[in-house]
Amino acid sequence: GQNIDQPTEMTATEGAIVQINCTYQTSGFNGLFWYQQHAGEAPTFLSYNVLDGLEEKGRFSSFLSRSKGYSYLLLKELQMKDSASYLCAVRDSNYQLIWGAGTKLIIKP
Amino acid sequence: TAGITQAPTSQILAAGRSMTLRCTQDMRHNAMYWYRQDLGLGLRLIHYSNTAGTTGKGEVPDGYSVSRANTDDFPLTLASAVPSQTSVYFCASSDTGGSGNQPQHFGDGTRLSIL
Repeated sequence: GQNIDQPTEMTATEGAIVQINCTYQTSGFNGLFWYQQHAGEAPTFLSYNVLDGLEEKGRFSSFLSRSKGYSYLLLKELQMKDSASYLCAVRDSNYQLIWGAGTKLIIKP
Repeated sequence: TAGITQAPTSQILAAGRSMTLRCTQDMRHNAMYWYRQDLGLGLRLIHYSNTAGTTGKGEVPDGYSVSRANTDDFPLTLASAVPSQTSVYFCASSDTGGSGNQPQHFGDGTRLSIL
């Protein structure tokens, strides 16, 4: 079967750095997406990786290792507004997205 | 602003009744999707459409039907609602049928409770 694993919840301090991990086992791989979802709102796109390595976009970076079936989202200089759930999704061989359950990130002052 | 509009925002429905959730996008995206989101689970694909006139079944299609008469609209119908269909429903669209780095864009969701 297909599976995306992320930690359920993480806590970090304002101004710090946090890394959210995602491991996946899917039928095929055609890219990995990270989304942010604030409580009661729609998911919004953060990043996309299809090749191994690091993609940097401002305070957010995403890393992919296809051989390990592993990705992480790195958030730097954390702000209170970063409190949200972070969703990892893999595009499979049918070009459909398989979603993890999300990681709820709590930022403390 | 441009994007995806879902209606209604929320609804309470008696079991056994039918209901159509509406979804309209103005981005001229080819592909559209319906997901349900339940606590502790990832988004699960119900139905999708890669282009107007075609639809396909996702992971959890039972009890739901869709149509795609034109590019902009992708309604989701529950023919006879059951309590297990209580969920938050998200409609999404993307610029292609799923290839490349084109992300899916989401509507604000419909919160549906079946009693």
